[in-house]
Amino acid sequence: DTGVSQNPRHKITKRGQNVTFRCDPISEHNRLYWYRQTLGQGPEFLTYFQNEAQLEKSRLLSDRFSAERPKGSFSTLEIQRTEQGDSAMYLCASSLAYTSVTDTQYFGPGTRLTVL
Amino acid sequence: GIQVEQSPPDLILQEGANSTLRCNFSDSVNNLQWFHQNPWGQLINLFYIPSGTKQNGRLSATTVATERYSLLYISSSQTTDSGVYFCAVEPRDSGGSNYKLTFGKGTLLTVNP
Repeated sequence: DTGVSQNPRHKITKRGQNVTFRCDPISEHNRLYWYRQTLGQGPEFLTYFQNEAQLEKSRLLSDRFSAERPKGSFSTLEIQRTEQGDSAMYLCASSLAYTSVTDTQYFGPGTRLTVL
Repeated sequence: GIQVEQSPPDLILQEGANSTLRCNFSDSVNNLQWFHQNPWGQLINLFYIPSGTKQNGRLSATTVATERYSLLYISSSQTTDSGVYFCAVEPRDSGGSNYKLTFGKGTLLTVNP
């Protein structure tokens, strides 16, 4: 068990460019979450996968954002036409749970995005 | 949606002191977790505690679900305890099966040598 990993750890981009982040959950975890954290705030939920199915998206996730989890393994979060307001820490979490049983979410180290 | 309030927002201690952090939430919860965010941004799990009391070394936590609050106790604080402590909850009536966590704004703890 190597924990949740995220790549890259830091990304600096120019406004208008597209960026993609990757998250590798703890192996065999069936749930995967993306959160966003801005300075001085707690993380905010963006979206959630149960295996490969994306089951909920926050209203924070505009149409410039898209997330995938092919084959229920790793996940990618893409931001198109980045804006300065997208600058934040993007956090991934995973958990192992069955049906309606909730369980501990484990977080990765995050990807810090800076949009110039 | 559910509201999560943490207090105090900031806390400064001398090494060796004890402290209590509080988390109030506005609705019944299925899940409550306490995290420590280190200076590099990593969220470290401290406790999964939707109810009851747990202890792990110098840290302990108590959640009184019927009164909608949780407390995190840090005893004999060390400089390495510095950082932001977050409480996060999953509401019981989440309107589906999303299991998302709603975070408070955190308590910034500074432990001075």
